[in-house]
Amino acid sequence: AQSVSQHNHHVILSEAASLELGCNYSYGGTVNLFWYVQYPGQHLQLLLKYFSGDPLVKGIKGFEAEFIKSKFSFNLRKPSVQWSDTAEYFCAVRMVFGPGTRLSVLP
Amino acid sequence: KAGVTQTPRYLIKTRGQQVTLSCSPISGHRSVSWYQQTPGQGLQFLFEYFSETQRNKGNFPGRFSGRQFSNSRSEMNVSTLELGDSALYLCASSLDLGISGNTIYFGEGSWLTVV
Repeated sequence: AQSVSQHNHHVILSEAASLELGCNYSYGGTVNLFWYVQYPGQHLQLLLKYFSGDPLVKGIKGFEAEFIKSKFSFNLRKPSVQWSDTAEYFCAVRMVFGPGTRLSVLP
Repeated sequence: KAGVTQTPRYLIKTRGQQVTLSCSPISGHRSVSWYQQTPGQGLQFLFEYFSETQRNKGNFPGRFSGRQFSNSRSEMNVSTLELGDSALYLCASSLDLGISGNTIYFGEGSWLTVV
């Protein structure tokens, strides 16, 4: 069965700190990987996606993610977070979503 | 381009009643999928429709059903509501089948409270 796990339930960072959110998946077929973000009071939005090619993908707002096939991972990174990055982040493999990681950025 | 539109946005129902939620996909998108989002369970896939046919289904009881119309608009129905059905119901659309890995775009959701 397909499954997605996210390492952290809640991450608290200060502004300008670096961010890495872990995501691991279990899926036997061709992986199509996504990160979605849900800002407070807003709907889920696509942050970035990986289908094939360069395993390092760049998304909106300075986010990037690296697909490591051997580790079944697709971790999300941002070198310097801002208060406006406070949101819930969801990793997904095709249509299966992880439980989400809540990110709180302190000003 | 208009996004995914869901109606109603908020509703309150009583246990035992039924509810119908509506979703209009992004223009040109032929696939519509539904999710249930709760604090405890996260985002759980309900089903996906493409060309008026259910193509994939999650692990939900038969009380949860859906349909898709020829214009790609979709409805989902929950019968015999239970308190545990209180959740945010999200509709998402994609150009082609989401289960095949196509990017899905979400609506704002319908908040259902069962009392």
